[in-house]
Amino acid sequence: QKEVEQNSGPLSVPEGAIASLNCTYSDRVSQSFFWYRQYSGKSPELIMSIYSNGDKEDGRFTAQLNKASQYVSLLIRDSQPSDSATYLCAVNMYLPDTGNQFYFGTGTSLTVIP
Amino acid sequence: DAGVIQSPRHEVTEMGQEVTLRCKPISGHNSLFWYRQTMMRGLELLIYFNNNVPIDDSGMPEDRFSAKMPNASFSTLKIQPSEPRDSAVYFCASSLKPPSDAEQYFGPGTRLTVT
Repeated sequence: QKEVEQNSGPLSVPEGAIASLNCTYSDRVSQSFFWYRQYSGKSPELIMSIYSNGDKEDGRFTAQLNKASQYVSLLIRDSQPSDSATYLCAVNMYLPDTGNQFYFGTGTSLTVIP
Repeated sequence: DAGVIQSPRHEVTEMGQEVTLRCKPISGHNSLFWYRQTMMRGLELLIYFNNNVPIDDSGMPEDRFSAKMPNASFSTLKIQPSEPRDSAVYFCASSLKPPSDAEQYFGPGTRLTVT
């Protein structure tokens, strides 16, 4: 089992709809969680970070964290064609033997249809 | 303010040659990360430094790969000898916060092709 898992998609939503991206992780000592957006041919760009259970909102983006279920999600409200990209979930885990370990999921491809 | 700078942006080399990738982190950032991205394996952490000291190199695939950070503003990733399976996009990222809650900022990447 991979440390961080995402559905690869592609996920297609109509413009103006809510896009829901999901991520699960394998270890309970995970400390911090991040969502990155990567346009084709570009580098990953940080869009959200979340450290505690619950919701965190930033503009049209909401990150949701449930540590008991080892689940983190990203909601994009009022989706725009410019949101079409691959979304990467990243998790920082602390392991006693090796310290901080960073893992990225393989990403979910999102297409917003005008 | 300049972001993370990487050079070269593209590198094409023949199998067996030495390849050196370069990175300049954001000024003031004290953690630096090297990643490799391929379609098959996604984004993989190769090594990261904190205050110029390598903290975790468990992601370095084999002895052909080495990384250095001689000062706070420069790092290199070297592959010697290179092989076709090393073809990938290599990203450098830096962060200001401690690694435990690092929000990382990525450079534009170096696309490496080994023929």
